[in-house]
Amino acid sequence: DAKTTQPPSMDCAEGRAANLPCNHSTISGNEYVYWYRQIHSQGPQYIIHGLKNNETNEMASLIITEDRKSSTLILPHATLRDTAVYYCIVSYSNTDKLIFGTGTRLQVFP
Amino acid sequence: SQTIHQWPATLVQPVGSPLSLECTVEGTSNPNLYWYRQAAGRGLQLLFYSVGIGQISSEVPQNLSASRPQDRQFILSSKKLLLSDSGFYLCAWSENRAWYFGPGTRLTVT
Repeated sequence: DAKTTQPPSMDCAEGRAANLPCNHSTISGNEYVYWYRQIHSQGPQYIIHGLKNNETNEMASLIITEDRKSSTLILPHATLRDTAVYYCIVSYSNTDKLIFGTGTRLQVFP
Repeated sequence: SQTIHQWPATLVQPVGSPLSLECTVEGTSNPNLYWYRQAAGRGLQLLFYSVGIGQISSEVPQNLSASRPQDRQFILSSKKLLLSDSGFYLCAWSENRAWYFGPGTRLTVT
């Protein structure tokens, strides 16, 4: 039970910002939001995670709504190498399990 | 720094043969360890996780088993492979609420 809803696919022009939405309307107070991506035939790569505040690192920004029922992953300047399946996951702080959904297939085009 | 190894990278096995996939982690102690499987064109399914030596939790009933004989070693096994066991097997470890995935083993059962 992945508990998140993501669009199955999105396109983005190279150099533009990619905004990937995720709905997690049943999220509870102690659940974190994680984002991973998987490039074809490789293991998933950690991108970012957050609890309720917006987060930013060298790869991306994570915007979590005030009610925490949805979030958006922002890749500020998408490149062709960002083409991948992006997974939004919610995880309890005390179970240490990461359950993947179906993700969003992001295609970055020239 | 921490690294995670999996071997073999690829494997072709006949139906009914045994299986042993190995995962080792370096640079950390007492990690949580996980086995995931990704069938062709599908998402990642959590198979097993372990919080310590000899402690294994199974997420789904199946033809596979897991063992953790040492702190940083996690083994996935089967006595008799089925065609449906084909897929991309990923080992992962977690620490401080971040999960890290290995390079994976691609198993084809013929």
